[in-house]
Amino acid sequence: QSVLTQPPSASGTPGQRVTISCSGSSSNIGRNTVSWYQQYPGTAPKFLIYNNDQRPSGVPDRFSGSKSGTSASLAISGLQSEDDADYYCAAWDDSLTGPVFGGGTKLTVL
Amino acid sequence: QVRLQESGPGLVKPSETLSLTCTVSGGSISTFYWSWIRQPPGKGLEWIGYVYYTGSTKYNPSLKSRVTMSLETSKNEFSLDVTSVTAADTAVYYCARDCCGGADAFDIWGQGTMVTVSS
Repeated sequence: QSVLTQPPSASGTPGQRVTISCSGSSSNIGRNTVSWYQQYPGTAPKFLIYNNDQRPSGVPDRFSGSKSGTSASLAISGLQSEDDADYYCAAWDDSLTGPVFGGGTKLTVL
Repeated sequence: QVRLQESGPGLVKPSETLSLTCTVSGGSISTFYWSWIRQPPGKGLEWIGYVYYTGSTKYNPSLKSRVTMSLETSKNEFSLDVTSVTAADTAVYYCARDCCGGADAFDIWGQGTMVTVSS
């Protein structure tokens, strides 16, 4: 069972806006920043968001991140077929003294 | 452009030691935190630990008694050893670089290497 909780699945149609949640606690999201990753089957995760809402160079502005209290969210607007992938959140955990990941959300573009 | 490449045996016998190396190209290993992260088949990501460019290390408490990481700056590579492996250690193992100084955001990943624990 993962320290950070994500819904196992989400879906949307092309052009829609979808949101994926990531719930934690005061020892991780409540005190530290959140990062997000996109992963296609059989490939390594790709860096999407860091410091809660910052996009690395090359990540489309359709992807945005936010954090409030002990929860974080990844929003994808203008959904495209290529967004069909798994998404993971991560944050430093002060109790573990290391980073923890969410269990992942499988996003299906219908 | 910095690239990471994992290498090591794809098959390890139970009770033996899993040893992997991550080679860093296109940049120096002498900065940043360098982590190992694994993903069992069909499951999520698990952080194993990191080695800092100074050589200091931190491990996931759940694996701490079996894990050792080290850095070889002259070869621009870092390594992972996991002792006394069982089938539960079967996973894709990734090496990754922390982007931002806190070992909690990974901007560059290796392609991953599948390690199966089986006799």
